[in-house]
Amino acid sequence: DAKTTQPNSMESNEEEPVHLPCNHSTISGTDYIHWYRQLPSQGPEYVIHGLTSNVNNRMASLAIAEDRKSSTLILHRATLRDAAVYYCILLRTQGGSEKLVFGKGTKLTVNP
Amino acid sequence: DTAVSQTPKYLVTQMGNDKSIKCEQNLGHDTMYWYKQDSKKFLKIMFSYNNKELIINETVPNRFSPKSPDKAHLNLHINSLELGDSAVYFCASSFGRTTEAFFGQGTRLTVV
Repeated sequence: DAKTTQPNSMESNEEEPVHLPCNHSTISGTDYIHWYRQLPSQGPEYVIHGLTSNVNNRMASLAIAEDRKSSTLILHRATLRDAAVYYCILLRTQGGSEKLVFGKGTKLTVNP
Repeated sequence: DTAVSQTPKYLVTQMGNDKSIKCEQNLGHDTMYWYKQDSKKFLKIMFSYNNKELIINETVPNRFSPKSPDKAHLNLHINSLELGDSAVYFCASSFGRTTEAFFGQGTRLTVV
């Protein structure tokens, strides 16, 4: 399974942008970069994913380095509800046996 | 309407018992998963089914047997429960490949 490295924890203030980094130096050409988050006492929730180009959706933006060995999840204005564990996952296409392999993630604390 | 629903939400049982957790998704997905989250909050995939066919079995003990009666359901049967089986079990579904996965709210299993 392709590995990712994330900081154990990060802290932010409400209404400020948050940049959550992820290193994935062993990424292969067919690996998609997925981000999920898990709020307290809830199941994981999809945030965003990309392959090579930067991606934006209503929840966040994903900035992918040109060599794809790192990426950054950007929350443009953090809210208290964004406090969660954020997981950066490499999803390898394997003809039907794709699986999300969760690491330890980054625990984001948002201060009011 | 809940996209991925699991029942029960909580399950307390004695060692040695046999129990089942049910999962249903109304998203029309063709792939369903079971994940286990232990006390250290580490999420690990257990099984993956695609169109009722077992795709992934991550070295889970034989006491765990998933059953998929149709594409919308993936139930988890656990025989001879042990203390170490205590965890939160999450069901998820997706269209496989690189699309987003939707997770249920989890079933907290406590074996006493």
